[in-house]
Amino acid sequence: EAGVTQFPSHSVIEKGQTVTLRCDPISGHDNLYWYRRVMGKEIKFLLHFVKESKQDESGMPNNRFLAERTGGTYSTLKVQPAELEDSGVYFCASSHQWGRRGAYNEQFFGPGTRLTVL
Amino acid sequence: KQEVTQIPAALSVPEGENLVLNCSFTDSAIYNLQWFRQDPGKGLTSLLLIQSSQREQTSGRLNASLDKSSGRSTLYIAASQPGDSATYLCAVMNSGGYQKVTFGTGTKLQVIP
Repeated sequence: EAGVTQFPSHSVIEKGQTVTLRCDPISGHDNLYWYRRVMGKEIKFLLHFVKESKQDESGMPNNRFLAERTGGTYSTLKVQPAELEDSGVYFCASSHQWGRRGAYNEQFFGPGTRLTVL
Repeated sequence: KQEVTQIPAALSVPEGENLVLNCSFTDSAIYNLQWFRQDPGKGLTSLLLIQSSQREQTSGRLNASLDKSSGRSTLYIAASQPGDSATYLCAVMNSGGYQKVTFGTGTKLQVIP
């Protein structure tokens, strides 16, 4: 079974440009999460999709960030316009079913996208 | 607001030594606690998941315990090997409707051959 994949692995952009990150969750996983780790800080939650719906977006830093999950499959996270403080590693994770406990809660992470804003 | 703390921030041990990594959390209303390892430039690898009703989980040389009432978890690594060198992260999933996970800052482990 393929794991969570993210594209690109690295992105270097100028301040003010737009970048779109993509995440493909494990097939059949309803839950998809975005997290971010900025330099020297802990990994922080950004938002959570259940299928195509945003369940919790309380961690999104501001309206320059837009996440979508069309059709409940892959997700994109767009940053527009990018600022210097957006640099960091963006992780995506998925888990099985919403509302289920036990092993269904276990989150599987992708390798991350390292974003550098110059 | 859940806060997760990991101590120590860094640890260096000789190969073969048994070691314990600590994780504490402020809100005991959790669904589960997950331990991950992260290698430099790589993603997160799930090591162990402990449900709130469990007290420990074991996988090979790893054993994780959970004391929900005191807000603590430990990850025990037996007979450490150089390949265990990585950053170990503790993550807590809160109960209460959403499945948001709060991470600790991690413990960077170096096992010296």
